[in-house]
Amino acid sequence: DIVMTQSPDWLAVPLGERATISCKSSQGLSYSSKNKNYLAWYQQKPGQPPKLLIYWASTRGSGVPDRFSGSGSGTDFTLTISNLQAEDVAVYYCQQYYSSPVTFGPGTKVDIK
Amino acid sequence: EVQLVESGGGQVKPGGSLRLSCVVSGFTFSSYALSWVRQAPGKGLEWVSSINSRSSYIKYVDSVKGRFTISRDNAKNSLYLQMDSLRAEDTAVYYCARDLAPYDFEVGWFDPWGQGTLVIVSS
Repeated sequence: DIVMTQSPDWLAVPLGERATISCKSSQGLSYSSKNKNYLAWYQQKPGQPPKLLIYWASTRGSGVPDRFSGSGSGTDFTLTISNLQAEDVAVYYCQQYYSSPVTFGPGTKVDIK
Repeated sequence: EVQLVESGGGQVKPGGSLRLSCVVSGFTFSSYALSWVRQAPGKGLEWVSSINSRSSYIKYVDSVKGRFTISRDNAKNSLYLQMDSLRAEDTAVYYCARDLAPYDFEVGWFDPWGQGTLVIVSS
């Protein structure tokens, strides 16, 4: 199984500043024949189900604000939240769908400093 | 509006059974794969099972193989998860989600998710 790790476990960022979350996979998430990385990002607020933010490592989901961006390739990926808003307080998870079983990272909690 | 509404959770003793249901509205149910993802209390997310649009491809995480059965009824816009031989470690909120796998035989990313139904396995 592909193991997903995230860092940091928790971070606090001032309102309006940038939050950066790292996600690493135990093996590469792109096929040599395709120019796509099989990675998604989700946001989960307390008491709510997860919400898709990013798929294919960098494509924003429908209705997702453009302050959320994804980047990276291979085994190293980043979720960046620019201009952090109060409503962005949540736990963020990465997920690989390169191979079954699909697996999630352990999550990164984002708070306001 | 796209909606997925789970039901069927509850408390059950170890070794018992439960059947979860997920009723979908707002999109063409028969055109999409669907999945179950669970979250133990205070823990992270774990994919459980997926089924493609025609029920011809079904996958499970190893920990539930032989105990859980996923199925769907396209006429009723409904997804099911039959859970037998339940264990304490199956305690979790179970979410159903639309699975946007790029190919029919794959598991993809999940969007949207239902609100979840809580399963507690305890004596």
